[in-house]
Amino acid sequence: SAVISQKPSRDICQRGTSLTIQCQVDSQVTMMFWYRQQPGQSLTLIATANQGSEATYESGFVIDKFPISRPNLTFSTLTVSNMSPEDSSIYLCSVEEGTLPGEQYFGPGTRLTVT
Amino acid sequence: AQSVTQPDIHITVSEGASLELRCNYSYGATPYLFWYVQSPGQGLQLLLKYFSGDTLVQGIKGFEAEFKRSQSSFNLRKPSVHWSDAAEYFCAVGGRTGGFKTIFGAGTRLFVKA
Repeated sequence: SAVISQKPSRDICQRGTSLTIQCQVDSQVTMMFWYRQQPGQSLTLIATANQGSEATYESGFVIDKFPISRPNLTFSTLTVSNMSPEDSSIYLCSVEEGTLPGEQYFGPGTRLTVT
Repeated sequence: AQSVTQPDIHITVSEGASLELRCNYSYGATPYLFWYVQSPGQGLQLLLKYFSGDTLVQGIKGFEAEFKRSQSSFNLRKPSVHWSDAAEYFCAVGGRTGGFKTIFGAGTRLFVKA
């Protein structure tokens, strides 16, 4: 399975600022996903990032707030813009790989605290 | 509508005891089912997966899950729990129908007592 790394692993940011999270995969993958996991909650899909096209955002998430780049098949970034304390969460990237739709492999996550 | 329900928010078992975590799903077509584990401060790791064939599937770390179509369930089991199994467990349903995206359950936190 793919090995996925994320940077930074954690950060503490002030409200109104932006943070860009990087996701690096050790192999070429078609579909990459960005999730948010709020404290004590399950995973919520923010968007699907496909190389060569605009990211597809889920209901409740917009490009202005969470711009995503996918410059190649091994890398993606998620920016959390104009942050507020409500953005404090763990942000996870994942790739779909394997034999089944929905079979995903996750990065270690980025723990973001907004003060 | 598609959904995944994990009825137990948290479960406590003694080390060495057996474990069963419940998962019920609602999905219009044949589901692709998964269990993931999230240890503290880490991302999710795939434990096991199911689409078709034998309804009892084996996964990593000694876990197994049984698919019961009549009950729309995919419960996770382990015969003897180790302290290192303490973590959050997520059941998920994947698919391809109509652009369906994977849905994760709310999770069950497992506590293991000595």
